[in-house]
Amino acid sequence: GAVVSQHPSRVICKSGTSVKIECRSLDFQATTMFWYRQFPKKSLMLMATSNEGSKATYEQGVEKDKFLINHASLTLSTLTVTSAHPEDSSFYICSARDIGATLHFGNGTRLTVT
Amino acid sequence: AQSVSQHNHHVILSEAASLELGCNYSYGGTVNLFWYVQYPGQHLQLLLKYFSGDPLVKGIKGFEAEFIKSKFSFNLRKPSVQWSDTAEYFCAVIGTGANNLFFGTGTRLTVIP
Repeated sequence: GAVVSQHPSRVICKSGTSVKIECRSLDFQATTMFWYRQFPKKSLMLMATSNEGSKATYEQGVEKDKFLINHASLTLSTLTVTSAHPEDSSFYICSARDIGATLHFGNGTRLTVT
Repeated sequence: AQSVSQHNHHVILSEAASLELGCNYSYGGTVNLFWYVQYPGQHLQLLLKYFSGDPLVKGIKGFEAEFIKSKFSFNLRKPSVQWSDTAEYFCAVIGTGANNLFFGTGTRLTVIP
């Protein structure tokens, strides 16, 4: 079945540094990918929609200059958390939509900012 | 506004009990509906989905869900749960042709052996 690879699975960084998270669709092309953030005991919150070859669409309240999204190809989208702060510590998940409109999720990235 | 409601936050059942998790949505148009499961320490996995056709959808691991358009519901069912079904279950809705996938807040299922 369709597989989405998300890397890294865990990352610890110092406050003020930037972290890049990659999301790859391994066996299908995804014109649309999504980035979510999972808050403790809450559901996934959509951060942004990433469209191949165009600018990402951010949800209300998400800082686009802080969470940089690039969808350079049909199989790769990246999320860069810039100037990370401890409050950015969270679980970030990407998903890619296949031709049948089903979403396939990556394993997530646990970000800890110290 | 679009939304998804999962009324049960935490359900505790004994093995072999029957399960029904509620999901209601609010969306002004045709929708595609999903149930995802997240086992402890793992990522989200698709259980089943409804796009069109038979409103009773069968998924993996013995789960099924019924789309009742008049009630805006897509409840998840399983006739006999197992301990391994302990997980968090998320209902999700996406408008046909839209990009935003709306998730419910999830229902934690604990199955007692």
